[in-house]
Amino acid sequence: QVQLVQSGAEVKKPGASVKVSCKASGYTFTGYYMHWVRQAPGQGLEWMGRINPNSGGTNYAQKFQGRVTMTRDTSISTAYMELSRLRSDDTAVYYCARASIVVGSANDYWGQGTLVTVSS
Amino acid sequence: QPVLTQPTSLSASPGASARFTCTLRSGINVGTYRIYWYQQKPGSLPRYLLRYKSDSDKQQGSGVPSRFSGSKDASTNAGLLLISGLQSEDEADYYCAIWYSSTLVFGGGTKLTVL
Repeated sequence: QVQLVQSGAEVKKPGASVKVSCKASGYTFTGYYMHWVRQAPGQGLEWMGRINPNSGGTNYAQKFQGRVTMTRDTSISTAYMELSRLRSDDTAVYYCARASIVVGSANDYWGQGTLVTVSS
Repeated sequence: QPVLTQPTSLSASPGASARFTCTLRSGINVGTYRIYWYQQKPGSLPRYLLRYKSDSDKQQGSGVPSRFSGSKDASTNAGLLLISGLQSEDEADYYCAIWYSSTLVFGGGTKLTVL
C-alpha cells in the first residue's frame, strides 16, 4: 500500500533552517511528483512547490523562492524539503503529498505531516 | 483579491445536501480550470475527494462515495462541490484548488457543520 512517512517534529530558532524528509513506499517513486504543502495553526493549506523525482526538476511557489529547496534521493525513495531563514510565521505542519506526473493529477496520498515550530 | 474565495462556514442538517462554492477571481475563467476538492477532518491530513472540469473531464477520488460530486456555475464563475445525504462524519473543512500560473492555489477552506 502507498505510504508517505515524514520525519519527526522540529523546533528551530528564527533564522535557522529545517529539513523535512518524506519516505515513499508502495509505488514507483519516480512516477509521481512530490508536492509540499504547509498549514499554519488554525489556517488553510498553502502550496510550497513540487519536485519531479525522476528528473530532480522543481517548481516553487513565488512566496518561497530563494528560501526553499526540494531534493530527492531516488536510491531510498525519499524526498526532502529544506526551508531556510525561518521566521515565527513559518510555524506550521508541513505535508508531503504525491501526484502522478500525468497532467491534471491530484494529490492523492499525503504524509502524516511534520510540525515545525519556530520560536526563540 | 485572492485567486480562490470560499465561504468560511456552511451548516446543514443530516440527510440534507450541502453546496460548497469556490469562486475564481474576476478575469480567471472557471471554464478553463480543473477544480480540485479536498476534505480535512479535525486533526487529520487532507483527503482528495474529486476533480471537476466538465462532465467529460472529471475524476472521483479513490473510495470517495458518489454522493460527493463536482460541478460549475459559469454565471458566478465558481466551482461547486455537492454533498448529498449529509452524515455527521462529513463534518470537516473543505478546500478547493486550481493550478494557476504554474502554482497550485488553494482556497481558504469552508468549515462544514452538520447539525
